[in-house]
Amino acid sequence: SQQGEEDPQALSIQEGENATMNCSYKTSINNLQWYRQNSGRGLVHLILIRSNEREKHSGRLRVTLDTSKKSSSLLITASRAADTASYFCATEGGTSYGKLTFGQGTILTVHP
Amino acid sequence: GAVVSQHPSWVICKSGTSVKIECRSLDFQATTMFWYRQFPKQSLMLMATSNEGSKATYEQGVEKDKFLINHASLTLSTLTVTSAHPEDSSFYICSAAGTGWTASTDTQYFGPGTRLTVL
Repeated sequence: SQQGEEDPQALSIQEGENATMNCSYKTSINNLQWYRQNSGRGLVHLILIRSNEREKHSGRLRVTLDTSKKSSSLLITASRAADTASYFCATEGGTSYGKLTFGQGTILTVHP
Repeated sequence: GAVVSQHPSWVICKSGTSVKIECRSLDFQATTMFWYRQFPKQSLMLMATSNEGSKATYEQGVEKDKFLINHASLTLSTLTVTSAHPEDSSFYICSAAGTGWTASTDTQYFGPGTRLTVL
């Protein structure tokens, strides 16, 4: 079954604002990863957070993980028009070693 | 480092023909490669996992005779869509994991994808 549900499905903000995307999952995981995909392109890996980690930062990105609630959030601070893309969370773990299960994604539009 | 390429980037073919898509790890040896498909405005769905030198493991509902996967070397995996039909039109993306990769801690590296259109 598909796990990794994201909300919102679409998010539209102005440049400079922060963007927050959420991801929920159903089964136990080893890690959760966030990816960006520009229209018609491949995936760009953003950040990987392990199940024993609660927060991770990378530049303007901040990811949190709450394993008790089986949820994660991705915060992009001071957004730029170039951040416009689809963002996916993906979980790895349980009995599916190495296999990533992707969420439905959030389409982020940052208006200049 | 850790670059994965796919070829072709896009292909249009007639119904009934077979199409081969290549996935290459350019600067590392990939012991494991994964193949995904993505329909427009949808998420990625894992099709199969291939390990170098062994048969691919297909996900439930994926026809192994329809989607032939070969991982003959540590830098190349191929996906052949046999007797393609319009419903096979999709975006196919591969990812690769290098030697010594640990699934719980290490990321996979994704190719840029191949858009297949079957007329």
